[in-house]
Amino acid sequence: GAVVSQHPSRVICKSGTSVKIECRSLDFQATTMFWYRQFPKQSLMLMATSNEGSKATYEQGVEKDKFLINHASLTLSTLTVTSAHPEDSSFYICSARVKDEQFFGPGTRLTVL
Amino acid sequence: GENVEQHPSTLSVQEGDSAVIKCTYSDSASNYFPWYKQELGKRPQLIIDIRSNVGEKKDQRIAVTLNKTAKHFSLHITETQPEDSAVYFCAALKRDSGAGSYQLTFGKGTKLSVIP
Repeated sequence: GAVVSQHPSRVICKSGTSVKIECRSLDFQATTMFWYRQFPKQSLMLMATSNEGSKATYEQGVEKDKFLINHASLTLSTLTVTSAHPEDSSFYICSARVKDEQFFGPGTRLTVL
Repeated sequence: GENVEQHPSTLSVQEGDSAVIKCTYSDSASNYFPWYKQELGKRPQLIIDIRSNVGEKKDQRIAVTLNKTAKHFSLHITETQPEDSAVYFCAALKRDSGAGSYQLTFGKGTKLSVIP
């Protein structure tokens, strides 16, 4: 199946700093990538849909100025959590769409102190 | 929008027994139903899927059934093993090629524990 990588796998930062997470499709081109947030023992919550060459589409309640998404190429989408606060601590997972299927990255554990 | 309900939220079975997880969906336009397995701290991985033109699909110990009329689908795992312990998510996809829309909605997950 298609392989999606995500970097970093784990990040700890101070409150107020910004954190960038990268999502790459390794062996295919992904016009569409998705960003999810997952709290402990909960389901995947879609944050935004990232489309190559255009603006991301954000789900209701997700602040676009706080969670900046850039999909500059067919193999890379980035999520930047700006001015991170402790409540932003979570597991962030990206996925890439191939026809109907989604292939997930390994996730990034963000801890904001 | 689509609403996917998943039950049970937790499930414990003895090794060797079968496990069944059920999901219902609300939008009859949904036409693709994947199941994902997620181990603790890892990525969700697709384990099986079914399309709306099929009623049942099997892959070794895993099978999925779909009842379009009732709008529900189920995951069946037979001869469970400890390594089957994980969280399982169902999902329903509504895709409109003409409109270019794609909406994948996940259930809340089922934590399966297989007791040796």
